[in-house]
Amino acid sequence: DGGITQSPKYLFRKEGQNVTLSCEQNLNHDAMYWYRQDPGQGLRLIYYSQIVNDFQKGDIAEGYSVSREKKESFPLTVTSAQKNPTAFYLCASSQLGDRPNYGYTFGSGTRLTVV
Amino acid sequence: GESVGLHLPTLSVQEGDNSIINCAYSNSASDYFIWYKQESGKGPQFIIDIRSNMDKRQGQRVTVLLNKTVKHLSLQIAATQPGDSAVYFCAETFSGSARQLTFGSGTQLTVLP
Repeated sequence: DGGITQSPKYLFRKEGQNVTLSCEQNLNHDAMYWYRQDPGQGLRLIYYSQIVNDFQKGDIAEGYSVSREKKESFPLTVTSAQKNPTAFYLCASSQLGDRPNYGYTFGSGTRLTVV
Repeated sequence: GESVGLHLPTLSVQEGDNSIINCAYSNSASDYFIWYKQESGKGPQFIIDIRSNMDKRQGQRVTVLLNKTVKHLSLQIAATQPGDSAVYFCAETFSGSARQLTFGSGTQLTVLP
């Protein structure tokens, strides 16, 4: 089955620790995205990438870093500089160019908690 | 630092009633719109889409209406069921944006027994 996989589903981080969230897709999509969702709130864009080895900051990139070494993979690192990292993190992917459906495919999310 | 977002508006409906969820979009150049459903603890799922050359599109139990004059989108759910309880997001995009989606803030729908 084609899809987008996020792991782990739950992640606990100690104060001052960096953690990396995994996102892998086998849809052959060009673009990948990371969103943060706080309880009872909407989606906020952290980073996105439209091509391998290139990525752009979203609205709330501070305290986060990403890499796009392979088309299928777009890991997100939450660094110790992110002071309030507890949230639900969503990864998404999409194709680029003209097509019938411009929607994103979302992963099932990673819930990160600071302990 | 990060700004604190607004909490989602909520809508409560009785099981079996019709639900109408509204969304105001911002960009008059947007030509494609999507509704997503997000159940608790899961990623958003595509429900239905509509292009700007249409003003209505129907799916199974769902209808999307588009009013370009006032930049308004609505999602109608017929005979709402308990499984419809979720957060619903609208999204818009236009051709000059590399087809990036801009998401609305979302609405929490609760279906009452």
